[in-house]
Amino acid sequence: KAGVTQTPRYLIKTRGQQVTLSCSPISGHRSVSWYQQTPGQGLQFLFEYFSETQRNKGNFPGRFSGRQFSNSRSEMNVSTLELGDSALYLCASALGGTETQYFGPGTRLLVL
Amino acid sequence: GQQLNQSPQSMFIQEGEDVSMNCTSSSIFNTWLWYKQDPGEGPVLLIALYKAGELTSNGRLTAQFGITRKDSFLNISASIPSDVGIYFCAGHMNNNAGNMLTFGGGTRLMVKP
Repeated sequence: KAGVTQTPRYLIKTRGQQVTLSCSPISGHRSVSWYQQTPGQGLQFLFEYFSETQRNKGNFPGRFSGRQFSNSRSEMNVSTLELGDSALYLCASALGGTETQYFGPGTRLLVL
Repeated sequence: GQQLNQSPQSMFIQEGEDVSMNCTSSSIFNTWLWYKQDPGEGPVLLIALYKAGELTSNGRLTAQFGITRKDSFLNISASIPSDVGIYFCAGHMNNNAGNMLTFGGGTRLMVKP
C-alpha cells in the first residue's frame, strides 16, 4: 500500500505571496492532519480534516487554511507569507477513528 | 506550544549500548506514540501504546505507557548506527475533537560505531 505523499517536496517563495501544498493520504484513510515543524517550535498541529470537514484546529492565524476533497486528498494554503512561515510542513493520515497517524515526507517551504 | 517534556534532548552513545528516553506531561493522554525522524523526511511510526501500563516491543525497541497516563518511555537495546535520528514522543487526548497529536521536543540520538 502506498504511503502518504506530499507535493511539492521543496518550495521557495517571497514574503507576501501565497502557497498551496498538497497531500494524498494512504488509501482508505479519511483523516488528514497538517503539522508545522520548525527548529524553534518543534512539531505543532495546524488542523485536521475528516470527510471534507475541518474537525480540529490548532493555534495558528487565519492565513493558514485547508480543505479536503471527496477522495480524501487535502490541500493547505498559506496566504501573505511571512519569513517565519519557513518550515517543514507535514501531512499525516489516519483511518479516521484512530489516533495512529502516518506521516508523509513533508514539504520544505522557504520564504525569502 | 508543546506540552510534552521529552528527555534527554540529545544522546551520543557507543554502538551496542542500550538507550532510554522518556516523555512526561502535565495532562493525561489516552494514546502515546513514538516516532523516528531522519533528516529531510517525515516522522516514521515506531510504536503505538493505547492502554495505561501497556508494554510493547518492536524488535529492539520497547515502549511503555505509564500507569498515571502522563508519561511514557522508549528503550532501544543494542544500538546500531542506523538508529541515528531524532525520536519524538506524541500524545493523543480523547477530547472528541478528532485527531490532534501533541509532540515532545525530540531526542537526537547519535551512535558512534
